[in-house]
Amino acid sequence: RKEVEQDPGPFNVPEGATVAFNCTYSNSASQSFFWYRQDCRKEPKLLMSVYSSGNEDGRFTAQLNRASQYISLLIRDSKLSDSATYLCVVNMASGGSYIPTFGRGTSLIVHP
Amino acid sequence: DTAVSQTPKYLVTQMGNDKSIKCEQNLGHDTMYWYKQDSKKFLKIMFSYNNKELIINETVPNRFSPKSPDKAHLNLHINSLELGDSAVYFCASSPRRTYEQYFGPGTRLTVT
Repeated sequence: RKEVEQDPGPFNVPEGATVAFNCTYSNSASQSFFWYRQDCRKEPKLLMSVYSSGNEDGRFTAQLNRASQYISLLIRDSKLSDSATYLCVVNMASGGSYIPTFGRGTSLIVHP
Repeated sequence: DTAVSQTPKYLVTQMGNDKSIKCEQNLGHDTMYWYKQDSKKFLKIMFSYNNKELIINETVPNRFSPKSPDKAHLNLHINSLELGDSAVYFCASSPRRTYEQYFGPGTRLTVT
């Protein structure tokens, strides 16, 4: 079983749509959860941290469900510029430290 | 003002050579990382240093040797390069408290 799993997509949505991605993780002792976006041939950029109570940043909402071991990202009113790969990151407990573990990413394409 | 910088951006070399990639961050972060992103875009952590001390070393061949002369720098030296080392290598840094990572622009290594 992969440690951090994401649906690779692509999710192909029209501008203005609402789209949601999920990410599941295998290690229940994980702490610190994040969403990053990566544009083609660029570095990953932090989109938002994910807090236990859920958090929102403009059109983006992130949720954490520890019981079911998944995090989610909701994007409202999609823009063309939202087209990118969205990477889920989980810090997994391992031998006294936490290993940042990336999912393989979910590709989003927003079309006019 | 580049927060995390890497040099070189592109590196083309032959099998068997030794090469180094340099990374510097001016964010005052305590923790620095090296990642490898392969042709399938999977981003995997290789090493992490906290205040010049190695804290993560993830099943990486010992041909790869990180060196951290101070907490703002983390260099990666690779001996006896192999075809399978071709990838994009990303450096990142984070504050110890939040683990929010900031990535450098990447070094695209091609081994021929």
